[in-house]
Amino acid sequence: GENVEQHPSTLSVQEGDSAVIKCTYSDSASNYFPWYKQELGKRPQLIIDIRSNVGEKKDQRIAVTLNKTAKHFSLHITETQPEDSAVYFCAASDGYALNFGKGTSLLVTP
Amino acid sequence: NAGVTQTPKFQVLKTGQSMTLQCAQDMNHNSMYWYRQDPGMGLRLIYYSASEGTTDKGEVPNGYNVSRLNKREFSLRLESAAPSQTSVYFCASNGQGGEQYFGPGTRLTVT
Repeated sequence: GENVEQHPSTLSVQEGDSAVIKCTYSDSASNYFPWYKQELGKRPQLIIDIRSNVGEKKDQRIAVTLNKTAKHFSLHITETQPEDSAVYFCAASDGYALNFGKGTSLLVTP
Repeated sequence: NAGVTQTPKFQVLKTGQSMTLQCAQDMNHNSMYWYRQDPGMGLRLIYYSASEGTTDKGEVPNGYNVSRLNKREFSLRLESAAPSQTSVYFCASNGQGGEQYFGPGTRLTVT
């Protein structure tokens, strides 16, 4: 089955800096790669996603890149703000179920 | 449009008791999912239902059963709860493009 590895497990940045979270996947059939943000005690919320026919996607301060050959994808957050502090999960899907990474706890300090 | 709803929000069970977690979605989605979330483990798939009338095991199905009652509802049953099933349970449904929408979660403690 699909195995998704996510790094780092914790990340601390200063407000205004950039944050990068990286994931690798094992199943070459995976074709959909979403990123979720989860605040403490809340449900995971989709923040951005990318499909296998696209190399990069941006939405304001958030961008995701995908390297299908190397089987890795990354989340980039620029100009971080304290409200970006949360746990971020990557996932990979072949169209049926999502396989999640173990999460990255991001702390943005003022 | 309530999205994905779950009941109950919190539950405490004694070892050996049974209970059913309820999930419903009003977005006319075909696929529905049950995950459990434990500290440091991310979200792990218990069961999913690709369409009404079908269910499939995920990564951690032991100790659970599911029922896809109709297109809207997908329930998760614990027949004999164990302390290892203490977790937060999330239901989700799939949009047309594959994006998943999660319910608010059920926090279950088994003593």
